[in-house]
Amino acid sequence: EIVLTQSPATLSLSPGERATLSCRASQDIRDYLAWYQQRPGQAPRLVIYDASKRATGIPARFSGSGSGTDFTLTISPLEPEDSAVYYCQQRDAGFTFGPGTKLEI
Amino acid sequence: QVQLQESGPGLVKPSQTLSLTCTVSGGSITGGDFYWSWIRQTPGKGLEWLGYINFSGSTFYNPSLGTRIRMSADTSKNQFSLRLSSVTAADTAVYYCARDYCSGRICYSYLFDPWGQGTLVTVSS
Repeated sequence: EIVLTQSPATLSLSPGERATLSCRASQDIRDYLAWYQQRPGQAPRLVIYDASKRATGIPARFSGSGSGTDFTLTISPLEPEDSAVYYCQQRDAGFTFGPGTKLEI
Repeated sequence: QVQLQESGPGLVKPSQTLSLTCTVSGGSITGGDFYWSWIRQTPGKGLEWLGYINFSGSTFYNPSLGTRIRMSADTSKNQFSLRLSSVTAADTAVYYCARDYCSGRICYSYLFDPWGQGTLVTVSS
């Protein structure tokens, strides 16, 4: 099973700053990596797919990069509503999610 | 736009069968080659994809659930369902239904959006 690890576990930043969230896969998953945002009390929402494509309705301040085993979600400039837990998900072998990074603004 | 809503008992006894239904509005579950999934979330294991059903005849389940899982659909009610048998406390979770993500006319069976709001199921005697 492919294991996804995310770092840091928690990130505290201020509005207007840049957030860099990392997701590492235990083996090569090409660019089959997605990011989801989950605000408190809500279901997850797709933010980025295929490593770097923004989902419909997602602001341009969200960007994704990476391939193979190392991936990054960047949010800049941060806004208060970006406070959430962000999960990465792979689909190269089954569908699994990372443990999440909590972003506090 | 498509909306999903989970429903079912919030409390299930150990060894019994968990049954949940997802009601789809704003679109037909047979209106395209969509994939309809169940995903659960626990504090311990995080997000776990359970399986999907597709109306071209496919079902695909997470192998970790073995033979405990079954998904079905009632097209007359625009609903699809999850049955998970022999439940234990480890099956306590928030259960979500979701559809595969579509961008324009392209849909991606391995991506999940939209999601329902989720329903908490507790396994306890």
